[in-house]
Amino acid sequence: DTEVTQTPKHLVMGMTNKKSLKCEQHMGHRAMYWYKQKAKKPPELMFVYSYEKLSINESVPSRFSPECPNSSLLNLHLHALQPEDSALYLCASSQDLRQRVRWNEQFFGPGTRLTVL
Amino acid sequence: AQKITQTQPGMFVQEKEAVTLDCTYDTSDPSYGLFWYKQPSSGEMIFLIYQGSYDQQNATEGRYSLNFQKARKSANLVISASQLGDSAMYFCAMREYNQAGTALIFGKGTTLSVSS
Repeated sequence: DTEVTQTPKHLVMGMTNKKSLKCEQHMGHRAMYWYKQKAKKPPELMFVYSYEKLSINESVPSRFSPECPNSSLLNLHLHALQPEDSALYLCASSQDLRQRVRWNEQFFGPGTRLTVL
Repeated sequence: AQKITQTQPGMFVQEKEAVTLDCTYDTSDPSYGLFWYKQPSSGEMIFLIYQGSYDQQNATEGRYSLNFQKARKSANLVISASQLGDSAMYFCAMREYNQAGTALIFGKGTTLSVSS
């Protein structure tokens, strides 16, 4: 199974709502990532988890709260978002963040298109 | 400082023609990897090809090949025999292995349009 799944595919929420994005992989990968991508722009890294521990937080506002309950799951909890947070949110995984492995490609999920009204 | 540069915002090509998408990079780490991803309008990032900094030969994967010129710090993607389904955004990305704990660094992308 070489797949990263993300739910939901689309999400529309108001600024006062609380919602969560989910990501799952069963490739035995120990590094998982959240990216935010605006239209026609490259993905911007938000968070990285390595062995279920938060490894990188790219100064993301606290209205985004990541969670890694186990090695296969990654959540992104959303609360009090702003319209400018509307974007495609991509989850990715790779073998191991720490090792200087030669081949450590990231596998991406299909993304969640988030619209904040 | 920008580490990955893709200078072509958009490229247009006819079916069955070859096309080259440019990518230059900047790093002082002797050990690094270069990746190309394709992103159709559906949004999913699809891995295409990988080149390691110590690889002696240029990487190839089916219709995709990477023209790796280490001294010039360029890693151009060549798509042979373009197909309509190749229309998408293409991102060049790099990972520096000395920076363990970092993720991919992406370029700004090139939009490829293939016409019949």
